[in-house]
Amino acid sequence: GPKVLQIPSHQIIDMGQMVTLNCDPVSNHLYFYWYKQILGQQMEFLVNFYNGKVMEKSKLFKDQFSVERPDGSYFTLKIQPTALEDSAVYFCASSSTGAHEQYFGPGTRLTVL
Amino acid sequence: QQKVQQSPESLIVPEGGMASLNCTSSDRNVDYFWWYRQHSGKSPKMLMSIFSNGEKEEGRFTVHLNKASLHTSLHIRDSQPSDSALYLCAASNPGGYKVVFGSGTRLLVSP
Repeated sequence: GPKVLQIPSHQIIDMGQMVTLNCDPVSNHLYFYWYKQILGQQMEFLVNFYNGKVMEKSKLFKDQFSVERPDGSYFTLKIQPTALEDSAVYFCASSSTGAHEQYFGPGTRLTVL
Repeated sequence: QQKVQQSPESLIVPEGGMASLNCTSSDRNVDYFWWYRQHSGKSPKMLMSIFSNGEKEEGRFTVHLNKASLHTSLHIRDSQPSDSALYLCAASNPGGYKVVFGSGTRLLVSP
C-alpha cells in the first residue's frame, strides 16, 4: 500500500538546539499532519498543512514549532529551540482529502537531553 | 477543548471471543470518526471509518455510529492473538483539518 517515509528514525539532541524532522508523504496526497506520541500512549494532534498553509494547529504546536513543504519536497517539522518536554515519537501522516484515510509514517523518535 | 473519550482503558478477551470498544466525542462539530490499530512500536493503521449513522461491517470488524450522541463503537468478533494492540479512536471536524485522538484501548487477546 501507499507508504509515508520519515527521516531520521531516531534523533538525539541537546536542549536548546534546533531539529528538523522530515516526512516524505504519499505522492498524490494533499493533506499533511504531524502528531506527537509519548510512550506509546496518547496520539496528540499537532498541525494540519494543506495548500501551502497551516489550516489547524493545537495548543501543543508551540511558537518554537514550524512546518513547511517547499516546492513539493519533504514536509518538515522544525523545532527551534528544543525543550526536554519535546522528547517523544513524532508521526507524520498524509491523506488525499480530509475525509479519507490517513497514512502514517513509521515515526521519528526524538530525544532531547 | 475537544475531547475524545475511549473506554475501557484496557480489555482482555479470550481467543475467539468478542471485543467491544467505545468512543465518544465531546465536540458536536465533528463529522468523521476513525478507528486505528497500533501494534507496539509501530505506526497506526486505519481499520475502519464511519461518517453516517448506523453500522458498517468489514470481515470480523463492525463499527457503529450514533451521531446524535457522538458515540461510536468497534466490535471485533472471533478475536485473535494478533488483534492484541492499542486501538485508537479519532474524530475530525468538517474538512478533516483537525483530528483528535482518544487515549486508546489496549486490547489483549489471550490464547
